[in-house]
Amino acid sequence: GNSVTQMEGPVTLSEEAFLTINCTYTATGYPSLFWYVQYPGEGLQLLLKATKADDKGSNKGFEATYRKETTSFHLEKGSVQVSDSAVYFCALSDGGGSEKLVFGKGTKLTVNP
Amino acid sequence: DVKVTQSSRYLVKRTGEKVFLECVQDMDHENMFWYRQDPGLGLRLIYFSYDVKMKEKGDIPEGYSVSREKKERFSLILESASTNQTSMYLCASRTWTAGNTIYFGEGSWLTVV
Repeated sequence: GNSVTQMEGPVTLSEEAFLTINCTYTATGYPSLFWYVQYPGEGLQLLLKATKADDKGSNKGFEATYRKETTSFHLEKGSVQVSDSAVYFCALSDGGGSEKLVFGKGTKLTVNP
Repeated sequence: DVKVTQSSRYLVKRTGEKVFLECVQDMDHENMFWYRQDPGLGLRLIYFSYDVKMKEKGDIPEGYSVSREKKERFSLILESASTNQTSMYLCASRTWTAGNTIYFGEGSWLTVV
């Protein structure tokens, strides 16, 4: 079945540091890939997505590139801020109108001033 | 903006009680979902619904049922609450198009004592 594996947390960085959160997937066909973010006490919000190979999703300084050859969708940001502290989830949907979204287990990021 | 509203943010219920978690979306989405979120386990799909009066079991349906009598409303029912159902419950919705974004509510924290 489809699955998503993302790096274990927690991740602690200083403000302005470079961030990478690794995400790899297993899926048949051509899935769409997503990063969601969950701020403390809130539900999940879409951060960015990519629907085909080599697409780059970007939002709020974050970006991720859909790499079919390495089945990866790593999240990066060049300079993190304290306000980026949250839990980040990588997810995939395997196509078709009835597909389910499969999530990774989440990576907690803490950014210190 | 899409809005997914969960009726209760925080609930405390007793073991054996029947519990209803209500979710309403305002964007005429066909698909709706219920997930639970637990530390270290990420998000797990309980049930989903393709459209009105349709439902499918997710990965962990035991102990839960759902109701979708109207397109905008998707209810999760715990027939007899147990302490192992203490969790954060997240409702989500999406249009019937492959790769489309899933929108989440803010979550309902349920404690069963």
